[in-house]
Amino acid sequence: AQSVTQLGSHVSVSEGALVLLRCNYSSSVPPYLFWYVQYPNQGLQLLLKYTTGATLVKGINGFEAEFKKSETSFHLTKPSAHMSDAAEYFCAVSLSGGYNKLIFGAGTRLAVHP
Amino acid sequence: ETGVTQTPRHLVMGMTNKKSLKCEQHLGHNAMYWYKQSAKKPLELMFVYSLEERVENNSVPSRFSPECPNSSHLFLHLHTLQPEDSALYLCASSQDPGINTDTQYFGPGTRLTVL
Repeated sequence: AQSVTQLGSHVSVSEGALVLLRCNYSSSVPPYLFWYVQYPNQGLQLLLKYTTGATLVKGINGFEAEFKKSETSFHLTKPSAHMSDAAEYFCAVSLSGGYNKLIFGAGTRLAVHP
Repeated sequence: ETGVTQTPRHLVMGMTNKKSLKCEQHLGHNAMYWYKQSAKKPLELMFVYSLEERVENNSVPSRFSPECPNSSHLFLHLHTLQPEDSALYLCASSQDPGINTDTQYFGPGTRLTVL
């Protein structure tokens, strides 16, 4: 069965520092991969997704992620953190075939301090 | 209104109550979803609807009863819930449930507390 692991339930960075949020998946076939962000008291918002093609995906708010099949990873990065990036981030996978079912990781809460 | 809206935003209910959660999407999508977000567990898919037809029931207890009267509205009827059902219930929609690359758009959720 497919699963998603996000290493680190809490990550803290300084404003201006690199943000790296880790996501690994287990799947017998390459999945489609998503990163969502959830701000306090809000629903989830798509940051970016990988379907096919270029493995480096750019998203909103300066975030990007790279699909590495050999490492079964889809880590999220941002070169310079901003205070407004403080939120919870979820990695998710969806497999081809069947219905559009997202399987989520447990989430990583990002704190940004001055 | 734009996007996906959910009402109420907060709900407190006793274990013997019956209540309903409402979701409405203004995106013209054909698929709608219910997810449960608990404090210590990953988001869990509960139900998938495609053009008002339930196409996925992810082993959800019968005390949760979904209803999709049209492609814009989705309800979750609740009865005889347990305290462990307390969670954030999120509704989402997408253009086509058969396209696994489709983005799902989420509402803000209903925070449910069962006493």
